Amino acid sequence: DTEVTQTPKHLVMGMTNKKSLKCEQHMGHRAMYWYKQKAKKPPELMFVYSYEKLSINESVPSRFSPECPNSSLLNLHLHALQPEDSALYLCASSQDRGQLYGYTFGSGTRLTVV
Amino acid sequence: SQQGEEDPQALSIQEGENATMNCSYKTSINNLQWYRQNSGRGLVHLILIRSNEREKHSGRLRVTLDTSKKSSSLLITASRAADTASYFCATDVTGTYKYIFGTGTRLKVLA
Repeated sequence: DTEVTQTPKHLVMGMTNKKSLKCEQHMGHRAMYWYKQKAKKPPELMFVYSYEKLSINESVPSRFSPECPNSSLLNLHLHALQPEDSALYLCASSQDRGQLYGYTFGSGTRLTVV
Repeated sequence: SQQGEEDPQALSIQEGENATMNCSYKTSINNLQWYRQNSGRGLVHLILIRSNEREKHSGRLRVTLDTSKKSSSLLITASRAADTASYFCATDVTGTYKYIFGTGTRLKVLA
């Protein structure tokens, strides 16, 4: 299995809702990432988990809460989001720091906040 | 910001022509990677070049790296309509799990 699977593919949520994005990989990668991408912009790093521990938080607002229950799963819990949080959310994984083979990305969750 | 700059921002060519896109970055790196993204979906890793390498090939892709100029180029030869996508370079932040993506080049290959 050489894929990163993200669910759901599309999500529409209200500003008072709580929802979660899910990411799964079975490649034995020990680093997992969340990126946010706005239209026609590059992906921006949000969080990095290394060996199931949060190693980087790029000053992301607390309405985004990551969780890594085990080495194969990465969740992003969403609460009280704003319309400007609408974006494509990408999950990625890598062996070590990605310096050998780069990242493997999922196909993303397109989030719309109404 | 360490973010790389890519040029051109957009490129439109005929099928069969070569496409060249450039990436400039600001700080020392261990490696630089190129990714392709189709229609706002996930990114696909194309090629990785280490700081001690000057050129690398993979199929129709040729990547060069000039660390003295802090720049890299991606050449796609004999382009196809299926190459239509956005292309991003990504540079590592030494000693961390962090990669910074460049601004991207939107390539359109006309059949």
